[in-house]
Amino acid sequence: NAGVMQNPRHLVRRRGQEARLRCSPMKGHSHVYWYRQLPEEGLKFMVYLQKENIIDESGMPKERFSAEFPKEGPSILRIQQVVRGDSAAYFCASSPRLAGGQSYEQYFGPGTRLTVT
Amino acid sequence: DAKTTQPNSMESNEEEPVHLPCNHSTISGTDYIHWYRQLPSQGPEYVIHGLTSNVNNRMASLAIAEDRKSSTLILHRATLRDAAVYYCILRDRGSGGGADGLTFGKGTHLIIQP
Repeated sequence: NAGVMQNPRHLVRRRGQEARLRCSPMKGHSHVYWYRQLPEEGLKFMVYLQKENIIDESGMPKERFSAEFPKEGPSILRIQQVVRGDSAAYFCASSPRLAGGQSYEQYFGPGTRLTVT
Repeated sequence: DAKTTQPNSMESNEEEPVHLPCNHSTISGTDYIHWYRQLPSQGPEYVIHGLTSNVNNRMASLAIAEDRKSSTLILHRATLRDAAVYYCILRDRGSGGGADGLTFGKGTHLIIQP
């Protein structure tokens, strides 16, 4: 049973380029979350998506960042015109479809480490 | 999500039990208590969660105080592989059905001595 997959594991971009991070959730999971961990800092929630819908993007920077989870294929986190401050580890997590009144665990991928030079 | 308070770090010896405390005095009746851990250079890993009763799984046990204002994660026999940052997180099952993003604090850095 494959876990959450992220690729690439390491990504190097020059300032001004675009970064695309991919996440394939666990089989049967329909909820995807993206988190960012800046060097020497804690994990911060960015965005929560279901298939073809953004449910909560309250943690997403207003500019240059976007996320999608299409009907087919992986979830994508896109960072346009990257800057050095975007260098961080980006983690994706997934959880199963919910039943009412429950609280479900999230399963995390290994992360993509983005370095902006 | 309501706030949690954990010690910055704890140290324990290999093959001994470890009790990791978490205070959550402002917990609401609909908050679940979740624990995650993050090993060095890895993604976070779900450990356990509960609402009112104590919970056990293959990784750990969760002891919840009767008034739910605190909880303790118990590792019954720590190994070197358990060295990680442990996060105690409250999740409200009311809004979003428990599906909201997780709010990570600073957690407890657990050091295991051989």
